[in-house]
Amino acid sequence: DVKVTQSSRYLVKRTGEKVFLECVQDMDHENMFWYRQDPGLGLRLIYFSYDVKMKEKGDIPEGYSVSREKKERFSLILESASTNQTSMYLCASSPDRVGKNIQYFGAGTRLSVL
Amino acid sequence: KQEVTQIPAALSVPEGENLVLNCSFTDSAIYNLQWFRQDPGKGLTSLLLIQSSQREQTSGRLNASLDKSSGRSTLYIAASQPGDSATYLCAVTGGGNKLTFGTGTQLKVEL
Repeated sequence: DVKVTQSSRYLVKRTGEKVFLECVQDMDHENMFWYRQDPGLGLRLIYFSYDVKMKEKGDIPEGYSVSREKKERFSLILESASTNQTSMYLCASSPDRVGKNIQYFGAGTRLSVL
Repeated sequence: KQEVTQIPAALSVPEGENLVLNCSFTDSAIYNLQWFRQDPGKGLTSLLLIQSSQREQTSGRLNASLDKSSGRSTLYIAASQPGDSATYLCAVTGGGNKLTFGTGTQLKVEL
């Protein structure tokens, strides 16, 4: 079974803190993704990566950065957390095979910024 | 910009009923369409993937259809069970393996 593991299920941080969300996948997938999910807005893509040290902006990258130093790990960084970044964050990975790009999701991290 | 809409936003049915969830998208230039299930507070589980060249896919009691030219997909659930209660999301894949999601249909199957 494909496993995508997010390091924390729940996080509470204060405004202005630097926050790291970690995601690890065990299937040697090339592609990894970070989304946030908000009521009424659905899932929105923040950043994605199709290879080590490679990254691409998604639809809402402002206020976020990412790091992919190893193939299995993709980190989302909130440089200075703000209350409007309170959300559910979901990580996903997929193989880079034409027509076989099912995305596998982690369980999510619910982040509250106070 | 691709937009994905799911109707209805919420649905409640008695156990045993067959039901249809709808998904529409504005840009027909998609690579594929996926249906996901999300249980409360959990991540997403992929249910079915339909390639742009396909018309439908089946898995057990689930059947998904795709009409790319009209920008529509349906997810048919046969003989619904309380365990089917969840939020169902559809998503289309555009360039770069990027998914655009709908906001989901929250399904409740009652005893």
